[in-house]
Amino acid sequence: GENVEQHPSTLSVQEGDSAVIKCTYSDSASNYFPWYKQELGKGPQLIIDIRSNVGEKKDQRIAVTLNKTAKHFSLHITETQPEDSAVYFCAASKTGANSKLTFGKGITLSVRP
Amino acid sequence: DAMVIQNPRYQVTQFGKPVTLSCSQTLNHNVMYWYQQKSSQAPKLLFHYYDKDFNNEADTPDNFQSRRPNTSFCFLDIRSPGLGDAAMYLCATSRDVAEREQFFGPGTRLTVL
Repeated sequence: GENVEQHPSTLSVQEGDSAVIKCTYSDSASNYFPWYKQELGKGPQLIIDIRSNVGEKKDQRIAVTLNKTAKHFSLHITETQPEDSAVYFCAASKTGANSKLTFGKGITLSVRP
Repeated sequence: DAMVIQNPRYQVTQFGKPVTLSCSQTLNHNVMYWYQQKSSQAPKLLFHYYDKDFNNEADTPDNFQSRRPNTSFCFLDIRSPGLGDAAMYLCATSRDVAEREQFFGPGTRLTVL
């Protein structure tokens, strides 16, 4: 089955700097890659996703890039703010009647004021 | 606003005492999922309903059951909770299995005494 790995497990950046979080996946058939943000005591919130027919997608300060050849995708957050501090999960899935999301272990992002 | 609602937000039960967690959605989505999330871990899929069709993950213990009486509601029943079942339980929905964006509720934190 699919295996999604996320590195590093923690990341600390200064407010205003950029943060990059990288995930790798194992199943070349995976074609959907969402990113979730989870704040303490809350459920995960979908912040951006990308499908395998595109290499990059951007939404304001957040972007995701996908390298299908290398089987990795990355979340880029520019101009980080303290409210960006949270746990970020990447996930992967493929097409199919019972397709499911396989999550990475999550990374804790801390933005220092 | 359309949303995924989980009740209660916090649930305390005793070892071996059956407990039911509930989830409702106003999104009119066909698919509803239950995840278990332990501290500092990724969400782990327990099962999902595609409409009335129940799909159990192979490694979900028999102690966990689910019911979906209608489109809007889904319940998670834990027949005999053990200490290892203490976790956050997340409900999520998606429009269809082909539409893989999943929308999560805020979760129910289960404590087993």
